[in-house]
Amino acid sequence: GAGVSQSPSNKVTEKGKDVELRCDPISGHTALYWYRQSLGQGLEFLIYFQGNSAPDKSGLPSDRFSAERTGGSVSTLTIQRTQQEDSAVYLCASSFNGGGADEQFFGPGTRLTVL
Amino acid sequence: GEDVEQSLFLSVREGDSSVINCTYTDSSSTYLYWYKQEPGAGLQLLTYIFSNMDMKQDQRLTVLLNKKDKHLSLRIADTQTGDSAIYFCAVSTSGTYKYIFGTGTRLKVLA
Repeated sequence: GAGVSQSPSNKVTEKGKDVELRCDPISGHTALYWYRQSLGQGLEFLIYFQGNSAPDKSGLPSDRFSAERTGGSVSTLTIQRTQQEDSAVYLCASSFNGGGADEQFFGPGTRLTVL
Repeated sequence: GEDVEQSLFLSVREGDSSVINCTYTDSSSTYLYWYKQEPGAGLQLLTYIFSNMDMKQDQRLTVLLNKKDKHLSLRIADTQTGDSAIYFCAVSTSGTYKYIFGTGTRLKVLA
């Protein structure tokens, strides 16, 4: 596809369940980012991938959050034992090589609701 | 740590100019961006400015940068109802990969 895609677009889950969120970046983009957008707050940086490696995981809020990227392409963000405070929109972005001047292209996001 | 701040809401009448403001703390910020987020969508880059510039104009959009005060603004001329969205300011530094985003300003355009 031409842009960044994310699935599912909406996810409703019960507290304590695990969820997986998927991101398909733009083909050829080596850099991939995950952000969390909570109501009334800005974009909270979660993790950055360069290729398949994650040099910066500093934004992951707890050890319940993990992410991986395979084949330098698709990335999955996993949240284990979800809590109500995990409810947010999770946005994925990709850029050509991750430099500061690089435009980040965003997906439409996954809206996660934890009941 | 680095911080980027924006006011949360702005309301203007159709046809008026909108000015959205942003302040940042990191004086080494090299690239400054404005992104637009429409309901249910991801963020879309509107425009950007390099730190060695004071102003950039792109059709109805004018970006002003005051490096001394670390203040960035986005002016939208002849604001239309289709401009209603959340506008995010973001900064990054040369040699790094990280963007720091503001909280976003929700612009409401009244007909």
